[in-house]
Amino acid sequence: GENVEQHPSTLSVQEGDSAVIKCTYSDSASNYFPWYKQELGKRPQLIIDIRSNVGEKKDQRIAVTLNKTAKHFSLHITETQPEDSAVYFCAASLYNFNKFYFGSGTKLNVKP
Amino acid sequence: GAGVSQSPSNKVTEKGKDVELRCDPISGHTALYWYRQSLGQGLEFLIYFQGNSAPDKSGLPSDRFSAERTGGSVSTLTIQRTQQEDSAVYLCASSFAPGTGWNEQFFGPGTRLTVL
Repeated sequence: GENVEQHPSTLSVQEGDSAVIKCTYSDSASNYFPWYKQELGKRPQLIIDIRSNVGEKKDQRIAVTLNKTAKHFSLHITETQPEDSAVYFCAASLYNFNKFYFGSGTKLNVKP
Repeated sequence: GAGVSQSPSNKVTEKGKDVELRCDPISGHTALYWYRQSLGQGLEFLIYFQGNSAPDKSGLPSDRFSAERTGGSVSTLTIQRTQQEDSAVYLCASSFAPGTGWNEQFFGPGTRLTVL
């Protein structure tokens, strides 16, 4: 089955700096890669996703890149703000089967 | 509209007891998922229901765990003879129509299970 690894487990940045979280996957058939943000005590929420037919997707300060050959994808947050502090999860899925495999999460701390 | 709801929000039980956790998905969502999140850990897939198809139970950790989904809507996750290692937050999620492009999962608030 699919195995998703996520790094780093914790990340601390200064407000205004960029943050990068990386994930690798093992099943080359996976073709849908969402990212979820989970604030303390709250439920995970989708922030951005990418499908395997594109290499990069941006939404304001957030971007995701995908390298299918290397089987890794990354989340990039620019101009970080304290409200970006949360746990971020990557996931991989087979588009049609919709079974999701999640990474272990990255706790991002943005220091004011 | 209403999001995914789960009940109870917290459950404390004694080792060896059975527990039932309930999930009400968003109306019209055909797919429903159960995950387990242990403290400081990621989301562990448990089971997936899609429409009237047979559920994907490949993530259930033991035969003490079972789930059903009645009428394609409400789902119940049952844990029999609970053990302390079952203590975790159990999250339910639903999505509209897998395979059509509408893959976003909407999560419920979770049920925090504590086994003493």
